[in-house]
Amino acid sequence: EPEVTQTPSHQVTQMGQEVILRCVPISNHLYFYWYRQILGQKVEFLVSFYNNEISEKSEIFDDQFSVERPDGSNFTLKIRSTKLEDSAMYFCASAGLSPSRSYNEQFFGPGTRLTVL
Amino acid sequence: DAKTTQPTSMDCAEGRAANLPCNHSTISGNEYVYWYRQIHSQGPQYIIHGLKNNETNEMASLIITEDRKSSTLILPHATLRDTAVYYCIVRVGGGTSYGKLTFGQGTILTVHP
Repeated sequence: EPEVTQTPSHQVTQMGQEVILRCVPISNHLYFYWYRQILGQKVEFLVSFYNNEISEKSEIFDDQFSVERPDGSNFTLKIRSTKLEDSAMYFCASAGLSPSRSYNEQFFGPGTRLTVL
Repeated sequence: DAKTTQPTSMDCAEGRAANLPCNHSTISGNEYVYWYRQIHSQGPQYIIHGLKNNETNEMASLIITEDRKSSTLILPHATLRDTAVYYCIVRVGGGTSYGKLTFGQGTILTVHP
C-alpha cells in the first residue's frame, strides 16, 4: 500500500538555525499539507499546497515558514530561524481521490520530531 | 467547520464493540462527519466518513442520527491495537473537498485485555 514518508524522523537544532523537513507524498496525489503537534496538544493545521502554490495557511504559518515542491516528488517545510516553541512533531499529509473516485482522504506520514534547543 | 464534542476518554474490553460518540449539533447541510485516529504519536489515520447515511467499511461503522446532530463510531471487535486517540471532524467533504482537517482533543480509547 502506498504511503507518505518523512525524513528525518528526529531533528535536533539550535535556536535560530534553519531546518528543512522533507516529505515524499503518495505519487499520484496532488494536494499536500503540513500539520504540527506540540507534545500533549492537539494536531494543528499549518498549510495546504496545490498546483505549486499555497492554497490555505494558518496563523501559525508566519514568515518564518515556507513550503516548496522542488522536484515533483518531494514536499518540504522550511523554518528559517527556529524558536524554542517550534519544538513539535511535524506531520506531512497528501490527498487524492480513493480508488472508487468517490471521496478523498488525507494520508499522513509518520512525522518528524523537531527539537529546538 | 462545525464544532464537535467528544468524551475525553473511554475504556473497552478486548473483543467487545467500542462505541465512540460525537456531538456536532451545529453541523451544516453540506458538512460531512469524518473519523480519524492517532496511535501513539504516529500520523493520524483515516477511518471512515459519512454525510447522513450509515456507513461501514473494513475498519468500522459510522451511525449518524437522523437530525445529523450526533454520530457514533463503532469498532465491532476491539483489539489492543485499537488503543488510540479517535478524532471526530466535521467539514465540507466528499470527493470535491481537499481542505484542512481541524482536529480537536479527541477521545482516548483504551482497550483492555
